[in-house]
Amino acid sequence: SQTIHQWPATLVQPVGSPLSLECTVEGTSNPNLYWYRQAAGRGLQLLFYSVGIGQISSEVPQNLSASRPQDRQFILSSKKLLLSDSGFYLCAWSVRGASNEQYFGPGTRLTVT
Amino acid sequence: AQSVTQPDIHITVSEGASLELRCNYSYGATPYLFWYVQSPGQGLQLLLKYFSGDTLVQGIKGFEAEFKRSQSSFNLRKPSVHWSDAAEYFCAVGGNTGFQKLVFGTGTRLLVSP
Repeated sequence: SQTIHQWPATLVQPVGSPLSLECTVEGTSNPNLYWYRQAAGRGLQLLFYSVGIGQISSEVPQNLSASRPQDRQFILSSKKLLLSDSGFYLCAWSVRGASNEQYFGPGTRLTVT
Repeated sequence: AQSVTQPDIHITVSEGASLELRCNYSYGATPYLFWYVQSPGQGLQLLLKYFSGDTLVQGIKGFEAEFKRSQSSFNLRKPSVHWSDAAEYFCAVGGNTGFQKLVFGTGTRLLVSP
């Protein structure tokens, strides 16, 4: 069966510090991968998606970036965090070429102080 | 452009009572529709999905949803709510051809009173 992991689960970082969140998927190959952010009391905002290694599409211009160094690994990064980057970050995957049904990871709670 | 509207931000239901959460979508072709549930501090779990065929779909945890094309709706229902159903519920719409991003509604928070 497929599983999706995210780490860390929680993170407290000062403004201006770098960020690296990691997401890995097991039990499937060539998945589509997604990063979402969920601010307190808000819906899901799609940040990035990837349909293959090295292929990243950005949905919202901001100081975050994403990379996909391996087929089942998706990384969210920032060189300098802003207070507004605080939120709950969710990684998701879907089967390529299928119904676009997405499966979500457990999330990372990021607090920027 | 596709969009999803969940008109109720919060809903409170007594335990044992029936539940209906509303979802209206806008999509130019035949949509794929989904309901997800999120418990506090957790990721989203897929409750059910509609692709085609029978417009009444059954999901996990006793939930069902009905696709009504004429009303552009995909409302979620449960005949008897349990305290453990308290969570946030998201409706989402996607396309049925090639790669399509999902568009999510803003969610409905369900509170269950004893």
